[in-house]
Amino acid sequence: QLQLQESGPGLVKPSETLSLTCTVSGGSINTISYYWGWIRQPPGKGLEWIGNIYYNGRTYYNPSLRSRVTMSVDTSKNQFSLRLSSVTAADTAVYYCARMDSDSSGYYYVFADHWGQGALVTVSS
Amino acid sequence: QSALTQPPSASGSPGQSVTISCTGTSSDIGGYNCVSWYRQHPGKAPKLMIYEVNKRPSGVPDRFSGSKSGNTASLTVSGLQADDESDYYCSSYGGSNNWVFGGGTKLTVL
Repeated sequence: QLQLQESGPGLVKPSETLSLTCTVSGGSINTISYYWGWIRQPPGKGLEWIGNIYYNGRTYYNPSLRSRVTMSVDTSKNQFSLRLSSVTAADTAVYYCARMDSDSSGYYYVFADHWGQGALVTVSS
Repeated sequence: QSALTQPPSASGSPGQSVTISCTGTSSDIGGYNCVSWYRQHPGKAPKLMIYEVNKRPSGVPDRFSGSKSGNTASLTVSGLQADDESDYYCSSYGGSNNWVFGGGTKLTVL
């Protein structure tokens, strides 16, 4: 059974860089069938897509976060990672990693069918 | 402010049906059959309930159904059960390699 697990510091100082890693087990990240995504949720608020990455490193980012986001993939470790720079208190959220499946056309990877449990990251000095 | 608009709350009695709407534009919901719905219990990760407007992943009961008309998508939960009480989020491909969510609807089972 596919499982995803987020890991990383739970506390980040303002203006610094948030870094999280998602470890995938029960399946290979090195597949043409799926993208791998990050989604976040500020406390008490709704969901916000951050970005998707393919096994070969191809990425798509939320336009509102693009200037601060970098995603990478390590197929040898079955992991993918998120870096968000210049963080502020507004970046405080639960960060989820997810497997992204596509529609029938195979073009739009916007269905998150497996999720990690989430990692709370607080931005505070 | 979320790209897609959902009512903040909805409610129904056990056994009844309730429908949650999700309104977007021709650039997202209206332009693609890429609407999905997620259920999220407090403190838990979201769970995919509906994808491609009206398809159910394996294991999701047929009490959950989805539809779309123009720029508005809908999720209907039939035969309401206590465990259906949760937050529900819609989402859609937003064009230009973007993925957008609604603000969420809190469903209460009376």
